Amino acid sequence: DGGITQSPKYLFRKEGQNVTLSCEQNLNHDAMYWYRQDPGQGLRLIYYSQIVNDFQKGDIAEGYSVSREKKESFPLTVTSAQKNPTAFYLCASSMASYTGELFFGEGSRLTVL
Amino acid sequence: AQSVTQLGSHVSVSEGALVLLRCNYSSSVPPYLFWYVQYPNQGLQLLLKYTSAATLVKGINGFEAEFKKSETSFHLTKPSAHMSDAAEYFCAVSVTGTASKLTFGTGTRLQVTL
Repeated sequence: DGGITQSPKYLFRKEGQNVTLSCEQNLNHDAMYWYRQDPGQGLRLIYYSQIVNDFQKGDIAEGYSVSREKKESFPLTVTSAQKNPTAFYLCASSMASYTGELFFGEGSRLTVL
Repeated sequence: AQSVTQLGSHVSVSEGALVLLRCNYSSSVPPYLFWYVQYPNQGLQLLLKYTSAATLVKGINGFEAEFKKSETSFHLTKPSAHMSDAAEYFCAVSVTGTASKLTFGTGTRLQVTL
């Protein structure tokens, strides 16, 4: 079945540590996105990529980094510079020709201890 | 600039009752509007979308929404709630037609009681 796979589903880290969240899609979509979800705040865009080897900052990119070396993969690194990293992280993809429909993974919940 | 406001962070209905989730948007140009649903600890799934065709849009699971320009609204409705409808619902707007410019509302959690 086609879809988006995020891993790990749950992750704990100590303050000061970097952590990388994985996102893989087999939908053959060109565009991929990372969102952060906090209670009562909806979804906020961290980074997005419309093509391999290119990505753009979203609304809350500070303290995060991404790479897009393959069409299928768009990993997100939460660095120690992110002041409040505890959150639910969602990866999504869409066709390059905009349909308005985002396909989401099941999310990764990061807790900083 | 674009924005979307969802009125009511929590809505509770009885099974079989009408579901009405409110969404108002702000946009300087005709918008694209969406409703997504999120079940606990999962990602979001598209319910329906408005892209300037018919103003009454039908989606999955019996949901529909009506675009009302005069009221800048895009409320989500379902005639008869089912227990499986319990989830969080997000309204989203984009004026450029690009997914990277989607603005999400803060969500409405729907509770369905017996």
